[in-house]
Amino acid sequence: DTAVSQTPKYLVTQMGNDKSIKCEQNLGHDTMYWYKQDSKKFLKIMFSYNNKELIINETVPNRFSPKSPDKAHLNLHINSLELGDSAVYFCASSQGQANTGELFFGEGSRLTVL
Amino acid sequence: GENVEQHPSTLSVQEGDSAVIKCTYSDSASNYFPWYKQELGKRPQLIIDIRSNVGEKKDQRIAVTLNKTAKHFSLHITETQPEDSAVYFCAASMGTGGSYIPTFGRGTSLIVHP
Repeated sequence: DTAVSQTPKYLVTQMGNDKSIKCEQNLGHDTMYWYKQDSKKFLKIMFSYNNKELIINETVPNRFSPKSPDKAHLNLHINSLELGDSAVYFCASSQGQANTGELFFGEGSRLTVL
Repeated sequence: GENVEQHPSTLSVQEGDSAVIKCTYSDSASNYFPWYKQELGKRPQLIIDIRSNVGEKKDQRIAVTLNKTAKHFSLHITETQPEDSAVYFCAASMGTGGSYIPTFGRGTSLIVHP
């Protein structure tokens, strides 16, 4: 009954490979996000979707492509992985309509690029 | 866009002492200010939040104050305990299309020594 779940939890891969991280929320929220947390713990917004529509796309390389098949899912696909992509990626959701503002985070996916 | 500065980056206290973490923000349109706690290896979780129509909010040992004129807000933890040790993030956001998209500070690593 996990609220926001993302898979895989750990991902180790070689430079140049393509990988995906999946995220699902069962909270009925309208908005989902991807955040990147680097080794210094900085949480940086990458993308935000509201009802499957992209509303925020920060300065992220176009090797990163989010996909939202429905409002409960937001997946992240990364092409041509680079060393600097190593980080923990957090998916999150919030209820935009209720506007409590609270973000519910998944457990994170630790990506290591060798 | 919004810019959130957070200080200090590291805070070390003795058990029972108080801890204060301060944040400033740049966008006067921001109206929602949450604080998240991230324990080692875990996901960030909301511990308290405040909206721009309120100057102070308390929840047991934690309190948040907001000065909209000066554009700064602070987290106060009294009677600290070892389990308070974690990274704390402040954030600022405003409703955009009905959804809050927080910009995070860089985090404060709080260490409470028994």
